[in-house]
Parts: sequence; C-alpha cells; structure tokens
Amino acid sequence: AQSVTQLDSQVPVFEEAPVELRCNYSSSVSVYLFWYVQYPNQGLQLLLKYLSGSTLVKGINGFEAEFNKSQTSFHLRKPSVHISDTAEYFCAGAVPVNYGGSQGNLIFGKGTKLSVKP
Amino acid sequence: NAGVTQTPKFRILKIGQSMTLQCAQDMNHNYMYWYRQDPGMGLKLIYYSVGAGITDKGEVPNGYNVSRSTTEDFPLRLELAAPSQTSVYFCASSPLGQGRDGYTFGSGTRLTVV
Repeated sequence: AQSVTQLDSQVPVFEEAPVELRCNYSSSVSVYLFWYVQYPNQGLQLLLKYLSGSTLVKGINGFEAEFNKSQTSFHLRKPSVHISDTAEYFCAGAVPVNYGGSQGNLIFGKGTKLSVKP
Repeated sequence: NAGVTQTPKFRILKIGQSMTLQCAQDMNHNYMYWYRQDPGMGLKLIYYSVGAGITDKGEVPNGYNVSRSTTEDFPLRLELAAPSQTSVYFCASSPLGQGRDGYTFGSGTRLTVV
C-alpha cells in the first residue's frame, strides 16, 4: 500500500458493546493487509491478515475484518468487547513484490487506541 | 523459545553519544526489521534485512546504521545521538518477506536523548 489511514485516533466503548476500528488504504494494485494489537509497554502482535481469497478474515481474540476493494477499506470488528481488549490497534499494508512492492515495505497506520469501559 | 530479544529496555543518552541497540531472534527467520515508534505517528521503518549480509534502508534511515553478520542478530547503531532520536525502537522478524506470515516483535527499547 502507498498509504494506510486509520480514521479514528481514539475509540471509547463500553464493555460487551460491539466495536469497529476503521482503516482505509491507498493502492493502485493488489495489496496485503494486516491488523496488529499493542498492549501497554509491549511489542505488536498479529491479530489477522488478508493476503488474497475470502474477503472476511477471522483472527485471534474474536476479531474479524472485511476487505472491501471498492471502498479500499479493511475495518476491524468485534461483536462484544472485554476490558482486556483495551490496547492500541494498528492497521498495516504492503504491495506484493510481484506488483512492485519491496520486501521491507510494510506501512503502518498511526494507530487507534481502544478504551473499553466497565 | 525466546522469540525476539531486544536489549537494553531503557537507555538515556547525551547528545553526541553513540550506542548500539541489540536484537536477536532464535526462530531462524531470514527477514528482520528495525522500526521506531513515536506517539501518534505509528511505526516507521528504519532498516531491514532479507538475510545475513544483506541490508537495506527504510523510510527513516538517517542517523542510523545496521549490520547483519548472522541470521540471528541485527544490531542498530546510533552514531551521534540527537534529541530527534528519542523514541521507542522495535525490532521484528518474519519467516516470509513483507510479513506475510506476520511479524514477531521484540518488547522494545525506550531511548531518551538529552
């Protein structure tokens, strides 16, 4: 992806409510897309990824995301959040090498801080 | 299984000093990466490596150097520290290029330059 935009810097939500974290990408060719989660004072860990095929991708901890090519979006969703989901979430994208991307070219969005309140 | 190990966890440097951030992985991954994370800015790629002896610049390489003499180790060198290098640094590795199988991140090094 040439760019990845996360539309919300902070999302507050109550426990057991559904949540959607929004991500848009810019690419004129095929693209790989990822969501990562970062808990306080830790490194990032992979939640889920879209490489090709089915546009609905399921990840760990009950999260899922849908690749929408026409809207250039890859929004992350969870039907019911827990306090333990409080973290920062990063969307990332890369153009495949066979479409002109480089091996190191995984671009991260600026992050969305999810705050789950009791 | 340690994964990706970064040392030190914290460091305070004076302007003009030099230091090396260490990164080691025990998963036999060919691909390794250095990112810096600044508040509200996401992660920016500094350097990456596709295998021992092969490195390349990322988006923000100025002021940094790397080497990759073995598959396991990928140290990041800061030669003349500047306040603009105050950041959290993450090392990551992956078995496939472009993180197609996901990156494994270290726990980070928090660097302050004063």
